[in-house]
Amino acid sequence: AQSVTQLGSHVSVSEGALVLLRCNYSSSVPPYLFWYVQYPNQGLQLLLKYTSAATLVKGINGFEAEFKKSETSFHLTKPSAHMSDAAEYFCAVSAGNQFYFGTGTSLTVIP
Amino acid sequence: KAGVTQTPRYLIKTRGQQVTLSCSPISGHRSVSWYQQTPGQGLQFLFEYFSETQRNKGNFPGRFSGRQFSNSRSEMNVSTLELGDSALYLCASSRTLAGGTRVPNEQFFGPGTRLTVL
Repeated sequence: AQSVTQLGSHVSVSEGALVLLRCNYSSSVPPYLFWYVQYPNQGLQLLLKYTSAATLVKGINGFEAEFKKSETSFHLTKPSAHMSDAAEYFCAVSAGNQFYFGTGTSLTVIP
Repeated sequence: KAGVTQTPRYLIKTRGQQVTLSCSPISGHRSVSWYQQTPGQGLQFLFEYFSETQRNKGNFPGRFSGRQFSNSRSEMNVSTLELGDSALYLCASSRTLAGGTRVPNEQFFGPGTRLTVL
């Protein structure tokens, strides 16, 4: 069975500070892992994906994530938060023909 | 390429009514999945269609149904609406390999349909 856990449903950071959003997964098979971002009243937009190539994955808008098999983690980071990063972030794992999403983390950026 | 489109974007219905939502996938994508998103439950998988057949189903009551047409467009229907059905309904499309396996690193989402049940 596959599942995704996002620690912290709400995260606040100051503008310019490091963003760290946590994601842990469980998967019985080698997973494909994703981070999506959702802005208000919009659908989900793919930020980045891990598909068993490089463990450090770079995405759009300066985000990156590192796949750590030993920790079953895929945390999302960005060195310096911008106001425009305020949104809901979802971690997801794909196995077989189904996606499993975490419950989401709402990121607030404080000016 | 045009993205995934969903119509309508907003709907207001009353309890007991039924509703039909539509999703047009990206051209060439044959797999369409539907999700319900609510503040309390997050994203929950409803079902997936491929080649006009439902091949995966989430844990939702039979009031929730769907179908897919030969052009890969999909509709979902909710009958006898309840207050708890108020949610953002998201559709996502994926490309598939020969044999129907969804390309696992591609799932593209539409903007969603916001359903409010009064």
